[in-house]
Amino acid sequence: KQEVTQIPAALSVPEGENLVLNCSFTDSAIYNLQWFRQDPGKGLTSLLLIQSSQREQTSGRLNASLDKSSGRSTLYIAASQPGDSATYLCAVQASNTGKLIFGQGTTLQVKP
Amino acid sequence: DGGITQSPKYLFRKEGQNVTLSCEQNLNHDAMYWYRQDPGQGLRLIYYSQIVNDFQKGDIAEGYSVSREKKESFPLTVTSAQKNPTAFYLCASTPFRTGSYNEQFFGPGTRLTVL
Repeated sequence: KQEVTQIPAALSVPEGENLVLNCSFTDSAIYNLQWFRQDPGKGLTSLLLIQSSQREQTSGRLNASLDKSSGRSTLYIAASQPGDSATYLCAVQASNTGKLIFGQGTTLQVKP
Repeated sequence: DGGITQSPKYLFRKEGQNVTLSCEQNLNHDAMYWYRQDPGQGLRLIYYSQIVNDFQKGDIAEGYSVSREKKESFPLTVTSAQKNPTAFYLCASTPFRTGSYNEQFFGPGTRLTVL
């Protein structure tokens, strides 16, 4: 059974720091991996999608990598800003039904 | 504007009452999903539908029912059989292209509280 884990559960950094969020999954047979952002009381906003054949994706200050063989993905945030404060969730699609299996998220606080 | 809408934003249910949560998308996406989010437990899949008039149970389907009569609509009914329905409910959709499902998009959510 596929399980997704995100460490740490919470992270607090000063503004301007570069940071890395971690996501691990137990079964390397995935179709894709997606990173989301969630603000309190809101829905999920898709940040990056990495297909199983890809190693990384970039969008602005965000860079996500995927290593299927080790069951790991990282989300790199460059030059963090207070507006980046949110919960970040990773999810894997482990079957051809589109179903996502989520980690429990990392709550990030960026202090001005 | 294309997107996914959910209504209502807040919903209160009395004991023994059935309530229906609405989810509509105008993205022409093929598949739609309902997730439940509880504090400290992440998102869990309730039901999903890949085509009209067909749907499948997810991991926590007991006490819930759905229908998919139109491609753009996937309502979720929380029945009185669901013993702990207080949670944040999220609807999502995704297109099916080049033989697989792609990026999944989410609605703004409905917060259900049992009185």
